[in-house]
Amino acid sequence: IAGITQAPTSQILAAGRRMTLRCTQDMRHNAMYWYRQDLGLGLRLIHYSNTAGTTGKGEVPDGYSVSRANTDDFPLTLASAVPSQTSVYFCASSVGLAGNDEQFFGPGTRLTVL
Amino acid sequence: GQNIDQPTEMTATEGAIVQINCTYQTSGFNGLFWYQQHAGEAPTFLSYNVLDGLEEKGRFSSFLSRSKGYSYLLLKELQMKDSASYLCAVRDNDYKLSFGAGTTVTVRA
Repeated sequence: IAGITQAPTSQILAAGRRMTLRCTQDMRHNAMYWYRQDLGLGLRLIHYSNTAGTTGKGEVPDGYSVSRANTDDFPLTLASAVPSQTSVYFCASSVGLAGNDEQFFGPGTRLTVL
Repeated sequence: GQNIDQPTEMTATEGAIVQINCTYQTSGFNGLFWYQQHAGEAPTFLSYNVLDGLEEKGRFSSFLSRSKGYSYLLLKELQMKDSASYLCAVRDNDYKLSFGAGTTVTVRA
């Protein structure tokens, strides 16, 4: 693994189903983030984690949950998917709480909820 | 919260200069970032400003005025590969980023 990876690359999901998007980084970054990107709205923060064992809510957290059991992994779960959750999801990581705290983004997961 | 505005689209000719403006109104400010995103790809970091003034990095420069809530990204000697979306993002005091909707730049030959 080099950098940050996400799985799956894309997914079509029936409404009401449960889905977990996976994110793994090998840079030993403290902070990790989940964003969704919708046309005309830009990237919006869903949840974040400043360090393993802690999580926080972003701008649009409703319908999503996260966990951060270790430094490397930050899964995002949709408990019961709805069509409005159709979007491209990006996971990102950064060193955390630093000056030039550049975020590195994964390749994204394209999710369609029907 | 954060309110971040940038133009939706800009078009320029290969070899020219383009300036992308970003204005913001924030409840807390702890730095401003610019990211580049090619179609279908992930955003990648371009620049970071936390103090007023100009930061230059090769063909790209970024400017910040905190008192005016204003930044711009300057792209010089445009190349076809610079066709992409450019995202302005403001970091708050909790180190969370808020992004503008992005500016799509199209470079024409």
